[in-house]
Amino acid sequence: EAGVAQSPRYKIIEKRQSVAFWCNPISGHATLYWYQQILGQGPKLLIQFQNNGVVDDSQLPKDRFSAERLKGVDSTLKIQPAKLEDSAVYLCASSSSGGMNTEAFFGQGTRLTVV
Amino acid sequence: GDSVTQMEGPVTLSEEAFLTINCTYTATGYPSLFWYVQYPGEGLQLLLKATKADDKGSNKGFEATYRKETTSFHLEKGSVQVSDSAVYFCALNTGGFKTIFGAGTRLFVKA
Repeated sequence: EAGVAQSPRYKIIEKRQSVAFWCNPISGHATLYWYQQILGQGPKLLIQFQNNGVVDDSQLPKDRFSAERLKGVDSTLKIQPAKLEDSAVYLCASSSSGGMNTEAFFGQGTRLTVV
Repeated sequence: GDSVTQMEGPVTLSEEAFLTINCTYTATGYPSLFWYVQYPGEGLQLLLKATKADDKGSNKGFEATYRKETTSFHLEKGSVQVSDSAVYFCALNTGGFKTIFGAGTRLFVKA
């Protein structure tokens, strides 16, 4: 079974530039998550989709971050404009249902450096 | 709000030593509890989980018991190996479709 695919693996941009990350979840998984992991911290949920609808985006900085999951499959996360404090690893995960006992499967992440 | 607190790392052990990584939580309701592991260069993967009080999750020689009275879910392994070197994350899910992670504990195992 193929895992969660993310690209790119690494990205370096200057502040105020824009960047986009892509995620392809495990086939058939209805729930998709984007997490931000700042160095030395645990992952923080940015947004959760159930199929192509948003379940939770309470911690997404909506003035600069946006995400979409068209057709309920793959997803993109965009930052525009980027700030220095956005430097982090962005993790995508998926699960079959999103319920409290359901395992989430993670991609390898995209490491973003904003200079 | 809901939160997870883990012991700070790094933890450095010699091979075959006993491992404990402490995890305590604060949550409304009755969460499910998880340990995830992140090996160097890889994504997070589920190590074990427990869904109700007194449940014991176990996998690859690791185990953790859901202690409701002390709100804890400490990770233990009787004899660590070099290949166990990784970052370990304690996490909870209260059914609000949100998994909350601790800050992670880095483990180094020396041969």
